[in-house]
Amino acid sequence: QKEVEQDPGPLSVPEGAIVSLNCTYSNSAFQYFMWYRQYSRKGPELLMYTYSSGNKEDGRFTAQVDKSSKYISLFIRDSQPSDSATYLCAMSSNYQLIWGAGTKLIIKP
Amino acid sequence: GAVVSQHPSWVICKSGTSVKIECRSLDFQATTMFWYRQFPKQSLMLMATSNEGSKATYEQGVEKDKFLINHASLTLSTLTVTSAHPEDSSFYICSAPPLAGETQYFGPGTRLLVL
Repeated sequence: QKEVEQDPGPLSVPEGAIVSLNCTYSNSAFQYFMWYRQYSRKGPELLMYTYSSGNKEDGRFTAQVDKSSKYISLFIRDSQPSDSATYLCAMSSNYQLIWGAGTKLIIKP
Repeated sequence: GAVVSQHPSWVICKSGTSVKIECRSLDFQATTMFWYRQFPKQSLMLMATSNEGSKATYEQGVEKDKFLINHASLTLSTLTVTSAHPEDSSFYICSAPPLAGETQYFGPGTRLLVL
């Protein structure tokens, strides 16, 4: 079993829809949880960064962490074609970053 | 957010040559930088951890004599692919956490094509 599980997709939704991206993990030592967005042929860009359970909102993005269930989510409201990218979850403990496989998201105009 | 740059962004070389890739943190210092490799349609794979002033730590299966890492200062790490072969063609990305931070900021990546 991988330490971090993420459905690779692709996930295709119409423009304007709410998108839900998820990761599960097995290591309870993870303390920091991050979501990155990666466009094709570009380096990952940090979107959201959370520590501990709860919700964090930034514009159209909401990150949710449930440590008891070992489950994290990223919600995108009012999705736009420009949101089409691969979204990677990552978790950290002692500076070691463990990645999910990434979910390819396609927003159809 | 913090900015990390990489140079070059693109390199094409002949088999057997060595290629140096630079990673710079532009507005923060980083005692540690990370080097990743990403093959098409695959996730990032950590290759090594670069430590300022000391030897790099390599992940299992990564040849340290082939992928030379030098962390010369708190803002610069270099990765040299020695005697590159076509199978080394990949997307190389560095990242750095600001001091006392767990978040990592990524460079734009360097695409290496070995002919």
